[in-house]
Amino acid sequence: NAGVTQTPKFQVLKTGQSMTLQCAQDMNHEYMSWYRQDPGMGLRLIHYSVGAGITDQGEVPNGYNVSRSTTEDFPLRLLSAAPSQTSVYFCASSPVYTGELFFGEGSRLTVL
Amino acid sequence: DQQVKQNSPSLSVQEGRISILNCDYTNSMFDYFLWYKKYPAEGPTFLISISSIKDKNEDGRFTVFLNKSAKHLSLHIVPSQPGDSAVYFCAASVGVNNNDMRFGAGTRLTVKP
Repeated sequence: NAGVTQTPKFQVLKTGQSMTLQCAQDMNHEYMSWYRQDPGMGLRLIHYSVGAGITDQGEVPNGYNVSRSTTEDFPLRLLSAAPSQTSVYFCASSPVYTGELFFGEGSRLTVL
Repeated sequence: DQQVKQNSPSLSVQEGRISILNCDYTNSMFDYFLWYKKYPAEGPTFLISISSIKDKNEDGRFTVFLNKSAKHLSLHIVPSQPGDSAVYFCAASVGVNNNDMRFGAGTRLTVKP
């Protein structure tokens, strides 16, 4: 009964380093997305995908890359980490156009 | 530009009483609204939704009210239980359209026994 799985749960990076946050879902959902949560800001959409091979930008895409080669996986790449990317990141999935998102447990990233 | 606002960062109520969480939005194009609940160290989970063609939707102890003219919605929890203690996020979108969903900053509800 895995649902949406995110790894790692915690990560500390130095400015300029790169890393990938992994997200996998086992519900055969077409839609997947990445959000970041910052104090007082709610959840903000970074990138989303409506199916394998299709991705698009959300509200705050700068500094992040995504790809969707399979239905199950939707990794988020930070190419050159900046302190402003310190945040909690949530991956979510849903059947296309249902509104109800299923979230992972989150990944806490600190950039020094 | 926060299009969805939850102006109360926290709320404390006594067990058995009503909890009322409020949410305001500025984008008049929003027509689908949701509430999510989040426990510490977990991801948000969907709680209840409402379309703009309705002004009320009930699911057990949870009722969401929508006032389109005031661009305001509220979540009522009756009766409140200690297990309801969590952060509640309001979200809105144009249609049932995930890529356009905007979230409020959240309200931390504490239900005291």
